[in-house]
Amino acid sequence: GAVVSQHPSRVICKSGTSVKIECRSLDFQATTMFWYRQFPKQSLMLMATSNEGSKATYEQGVEKDKFLINHASLTLSTLTVTSAHPEDSSFYICSARGTGADEQYFGPGTRLTVT
Amino acid sequence: GEDVEQSLFLSVREGDSSVINCTYTDSSSTYLYWYKQEPGAGLQLLTYIFSNMDMKQDQRLTVLLNKKDKHLSLRIADTQTGDSAIYFCASGPTFGRGTSLIVHP
Repeated sequence: GAVVSQHPSRVICKSGTSVKIECRSLDFQATTMFWYRQFPKQSLMLMATSNEGSKATYEQGVEKDKFLINHASLTLSTLTVTSAHPEDSSFYICSARGTGADEQYFGPGTRLTVT
Repeated sequence: GEDVEQSLFLSVREGDSSVINCTYTDSSSTYLYWYKQEPGAGLQLLTYIFSNMDMKQDQRLTVLLNKKDKHLSLRIADTQTGDSAIYFCASGPTFGRGTSLIVHP
């Protein structure tokens, strides 16, 4: 099946710094990528949807200036958490969908801890 | 916005069938999904059903879709301890909170 990778798998950063998370589709072209956030024992919360070459569409309540999403190529999307605070600590998961497909393939997630 | 609801816990005995239920509000999604998340692991797509189907069977898994009631269920036959995990229902990109399936001997 299709493989999606995320890097890094874990990151610890200090409050006020920015962190970039990469999501790559390894063996297919991902025209659409989704970014989710998962809190312990809670559902995945869709943060934003990005189509290659277009600006991301953010869900209500998600600050687009804080969570910068770039989908510059068909195999790479990045999520940058700017000026991170401890409440941004969470598990961030990306998923990717190819052209004409409806299946989403998930990355393994990135555990962000802000101290 | 879209809402997907599912019960949080299900406990079954090994060998029994498990049925995990899900309701959703947005009927425009083309596909509905079931994902499995084992402890410490990423999400794994278990199965999915096209919105114009009523049922899909895949080995031990049976998915039933009632579009009128916006109800989706996942049945796992002959449940094994290895099936213990959190199961997420999804309508398009919107997920439920996950059902924690506990299988005991």
